[in-house]
Amino acid sequence: EAQVTQNPRYLITVTGKKLTVTCSQNMNHEYMSWYRQDPGLGLRQIYYSMNVEVTDKGDVPEGYKVSRKEKRNFPLILESPSPNQTSLYFCASSSTFNEQFFGPGTRLTVL
Amino acid sequence: SQQGEEDPQALSIQEGENATMNCSYKTSINNLQWYRQNSGRGLVHLILIRSNEREKHSGRLRVTLDTSKKSSSLLITASRAADTASYFCATDTLFSRSNDYKLSFGAGTTVTVRA
Repeated sequence: EAQVTQNPRYLITVTGKKLTVTCSQNMNHEYMSWYRQDPGLGLRQIYYSMNVEVTDKGDVPEGYKVSRKEKRNFPLILESPSPNQTSLYFCASSSTFNEQFFGPGTRLTVL
Repeated sequence: SQQGEEDPQALSIQEGENATMNCSYKTSINNLQWYRQNSGRGLVHLILIRSNEREKHSGRLRVTLDTSKKSSSLLITASRAADTASYFCATDTLFSRSNDYKLSFGAGTTVTVRA
């Protein structure tokens, strides 16, 4: 089944404790991206990647890191999480200029 | 910054009525896409319309695109309670100089269909 998976689905952590949210797709898509969704603000892009070893900043990259060492994986790293990073996070993938396939979301709470 | 802006922010209609929402954007695009999100879940792709197309249909959905006005509309006909969701437009652009591809979402329209 074609899908995008994210883990964990829910995470409660404390300020400053490094964390990684994994994202994996099985559709051989070139394009992958991370979004955060906050009430009233819609989806804002954090980082995106057009292919292996090619990543670029989206609209709200501060406080986040990504890597794209393999085509299927695109982890999101928060080196030192802060409470303002409490949000709902989505990973998505697509072949360029086609529909995005979204993961189920990761609800992150930073205390 | 967000490219697309949906209007209205919220819409409440009776089952069986049509729902129309609009999306405006600022810069040139390659395609415009519409997505649907049920509360707290991932977005699901509804329809993609390319910049050289003016109208597209998919089941009860009708999308129009006016590139001269930089706007699009999504019409849901004969709405059902199951259509209750948030709807987002997304614009994608390829920047030829940098070969950079960007997909930008608007803030969404929340649609409530009353039984």
